[in-house]
Amino acid sequence: ETGVTQSPTHLIKTRGQQVTLRCSSQSGHNTVSWYQQALGQGPQFIFQYYREEENGRGNFPPRFSGLQFPNYSSELNVNALELDDSALYLCASSLGSGTNTGELFFGEGSRLTVL
Amino acid sequence: GQNIDQPTEMTATEGAIVQINCTYQTSGFNGLFWYQQHAGEAPTFLSYNVLDGLEEKGRFSSFLSRSKGYSYLLLKELQMKDSASYLCAVRDLGGYGQNFVFGPGTRLSVLP
Repeated sequence: ETGVTQSPTHLIKTRGQQVTLRCSSQSGHNTVSWYQQALGQGPQFIFQYYREEENGRGNFPPRFSGLQFPNYSSELNVNALELDDSALYLCASSLGSGTNTGELFFGEGSRLTVL
Repeated sequence: GQNIDQPTEMTATEGAIVQINCTYQTSGFNGLFWYQQHAGEAPTFLSYNVLDGLEEKGRFSSFLSRSKGYSYLLLKELQMKDSASYLCAVRDLGGYGQNFVFGPGTRLSVLP
C-alpha cells in the first residue's frame, strides 16, 4: 500500500510569486485535504476535494486554490505569496465518510519559506 | 465558532503516566481524533472516539465526554520516543466532507 507523497519537500519563494504543491493520495483513497501548519501550531484546514470537486473550505482567501485529478492526486496553488504564507503544507488523504473511522493519512509535507 | 484547547507544553518522566486534556467547542461533531507528530514529521493517527467512554490501545488510551466537550489522551509507561506533539482534532459534520479542526497541539517532553 503506497502512502501519501508530497513534492517538493522544501522550497523558497519571494513575495508576490506563485507556488504549486503536489500530492499523491494513498492507494484507494478518494478524498484529499490540504492543511497549513505554522511553526508551533496545529494544522489549519484549507480545503478538501472529493471526486475532483471541492466540498469544503476553511478560512483561506481565494488566492489559495486547488485541483484533484481523476487518479485522486491533488495540487495546491497559492498566488501572490505573502510572508505569512511561510508554513508546512500538509496533504492528507482519506476514504469518504461511512467507511472505517475515516482518519486522515498525512504526507510528510512541503515546507514553504517566503522571503 | 470552532475552538479546541490543549495545554501548550507538558513534561513527564520516563516510565510515568501522563494525561493530555482537550476541550472543544465546534459547530458539529463526528468524532474526536488524537494524532502524534514528531518534530519535522507528518502527524500520525493514534486514536478515535465517537461515543462517550474510554478506548484503549496498548500504552495509549483516549476518553471522550461529548456532553462536556472534553477528551483526554492517556500515555502509560512513557518512553523517550513519546516526546512529540499531540494534536487533538474534531471532525466536523457535513456530507462527504471530513473537515478536521485541530487544536494547537501539546508538546510533550519525556525526561530520563
